[in-house]
Amino acid sequence: GNSVTQMEGPVTLSEEAFLTINCTYTATGYPSLFWYVQYPGEGLQLLLKATKADDKGSNKGFEATYRKETTSFHLEKGSVQVSDSAVYFCALSDLTGGSYIPTFGRGTSLIVHP
Amino acid sequence: DAGVIQSPRHEVTEMGQEVTLRCKPISGHNSLFWYRQTMMRGLELLIYFNNNVPIDDSGMPEDRFSAKMPNASFSTLKIQPSEPRDSAVYFCASSLVSGTKNQPQHFGDGTRLSIL
Repeated sequence: GNSVTQMEGPVTLSEEAFLTINCTYTATGYPSLFWYVQYPGEGLQLLLKATKADDKGSNKGFEATYRKETTSFHLEKGSVQVSDSAVYFCALSDLTGGSYIPTFGRGTSLIVHP
Repeated sequence: DAGVIQSPRHEVTEMGQEVTLRCKPISGHNSLFWYRQTMMRGLELLIYFNNNVPIDDSGMPEDRFSAKMPNASFSTLKIQPSEPRDSAVYFCASSLVSGTKNQPQHFGDGTRLSIL
């Protein structure tokens, strides 16, 4: 079956530090990959996506590249801000039982200190 | 545009009571998902509808849980009878499935359920 593995948190950084959150996946087909962000008290929001190998998704200074050879989709940001503190979810969407059903990782909590 | 709307935002009730959670998906979306989120188990997919038809309910934990989607603009998740271990945040999400696999999901803000 399909699965997504994320690094465990929390990740604690100082403002302006470099961020990497690792994500690897297992899929039976050729999935699309996503990063979602969840702020306290809210639902998940799409942060970025990539649909094929070597695609780079980017949004709000965050980037992730679809690496098929290593089955990875690591999230990076060059300079984090306090407002980036949230939980980040890696996810894939692939054909499962005739339908496209997403598979989510456990989420990684990011805490950014001033 | 209005996003996915869930109600109520918070629900506190005593065990044994019936609980009904409601969801209005984004207009035009044809897929709807119910999730449960807890610290212990993370985000769990409970059930998935496509064009109002339940496709996969293998994530529904017990017969106490049921979900319906009577039309394209409304869905309910019901727990009867409720138990303290059902306490969690329940999310509804919708998406547009059009033969491609790269459509993201749009989540509501969730219902925080506490069973005493």
